[in-house]
Amino acid sequence: DAGVIQSPRHEVTEMGQEVTLRCKPISGHNSLFWYRQTMMRGLELLIYFNNNVPIDDSGMPEDRFSAKMPNASFSTLKIQPSEPRDSAVYFCASSPQIGEKLFFGSGTQLSVL
Amino acid sequence: DQQVKQNSPSLSVQEGRISILNCDYTNSMFDYFLWYKKYPAEGPTFLISISSIKDKNEDGRFTVFLNKSAKHLSLHIVPSQPGDSAVYFCAASGVNRDDKIIFGKGTRLHILP
Repeated sequence: DAGVIQSPRHEVTEMGQEVTLRCKPISGHNSLFWYRQTMMRGLELLIYFNNNVPIDDSGMPEDRFSAKMPNASFSTLKIQPSEPRDSAVYFCASSPQIGEKLFFGSGTQLSVL
Repeated sequence: DQQVKQNSPSLSVQEGRISILNCDYTNSMFDYFLWYKKYPAEGPTFLISISSIKDKNEDGRFTVFLNKSAKHLSLHIVPSQPGDSAVYFCAASGVNRDDKIIFGKGTRLHILP
């Protein structure tokens, strides 16, 4: 198995632009998580899905952030409009079930100028 | 409010000696604890876990100790090797195994030659 696949690996954009991050979870995993890593807050859970349904989005910082999981093999995290303070590494992770160990992708390094 | 706390941002240890990474948690409902290791430009990878019914779990050079009364866990690495230089994240999840995993901010471990 190729593991959790994220794209792009790096994204540089200007303030105000829309950013879309993509994730393909491990086949057969029922739960998908989006985390953000910053120096100040460490690994911060943004939102997670179980069986393609959003379960908890309380970590999403603002309405500018949205996430979807249209099917079991694909999820997106969108930021619109982006701001410099959104600059961080965004990780997608999947697990067989919620509460079980997570398998992380390599992350997307986002820089908003 | 941080439910999982890693109070040491960094730690330096001589090669061959023991590395001890500490973690405190505030939520008494947590009953499953994990350690993840992260190299630069990679996603975190699972290292070792412990359930609250145990107070110790060992896997090769890695041992995790859990003190439930103190709401404290620690990761021991012995002997420390250069490849152990990484960021280590402590994580916890709740009773029902259907709860999300919450991470600490991480501790950067430097193994000195």
